[in-house]
Amino acid sequence: LAKTTQPISMDSYEGQEVNITCSHNNIATNDYITWYQQFPSQGPRFIIQGYKTKVTNEVASLFIPADRKSSTLSLPRVSLSDTAVYYCLVVLGNYGQNFVFGPGTRLSVLP
Amino acid sequence: KAGVTQTPRYLIKTRGQQVTLSCSPISGHRSVSWYQQTPGQGLQFLFEYFSETQRNKGNFPGRFSGRQFSNSRSEMNVSTLELGDSALYLCASSPDVGGETQYFGPGTRLLVL
Repeated sequence: LAKTTQPISMDSYEGQEVNITCSHNNIATNDYITWYQQFPSQGPRFIIQGYKTKVTNEVASLFIPADRKSSTLSLPRVSLSDTAVYYCLVVLGNYGQNFVFGPGTRLSVLP
Repeated sequence: KAGVTQTPRYLIKTRGQQVTLSCSPISGHRSVSWYQQTPGQGLQFLFEYFSETQRNKGNFPGRFSGRQFSNSRSEMNVSTLELGDSALYLCASSPDVGGETQYFGPGTRLLVL
């Protein structure tokens, strides 16, 4: 049975770099891996999306190894406002897409 | 551009009733997906609609259904509500079907008593 896993929680201090890894098997060959941020009582907010190797935007980087069985979201120099739950979203199965969110990682940024 | 909007934002129903939730996608987006979020099960995919057709479906019972209109707006319906259907229901839109970046609305919080 296809499954996506993430660490349940992580703590960090302001100004540090945070790396959150999502492990996923049976990922669809031609589809993207996407990461979202969610605050309480809000819908998930798009952070970054990638297909392979490395992608960087103004807020994060995403590292995807060649086998695509995992992906790592990197948040440089986190601040208190980055305290949130972070989810990976993958497409599982090449025949009929099934969007699967990871269980989420609760990141707490401490002063 | 306006974001994804969902109505109503909050809803209270009793067991056995049915409920219809509405989602208006970002202008120009043709794909709408629905998700259920609960503390116990997390975010779970319900279904995806594109061009008024259901393209993908998650592992939910037939009590959960949806449709999409020609203007890409979508509704989802839950019949014979159960206590376990209490959840945040999220709608997401994307420009095209499957895999592209999905943009989420604020959700509809449903409480079943």
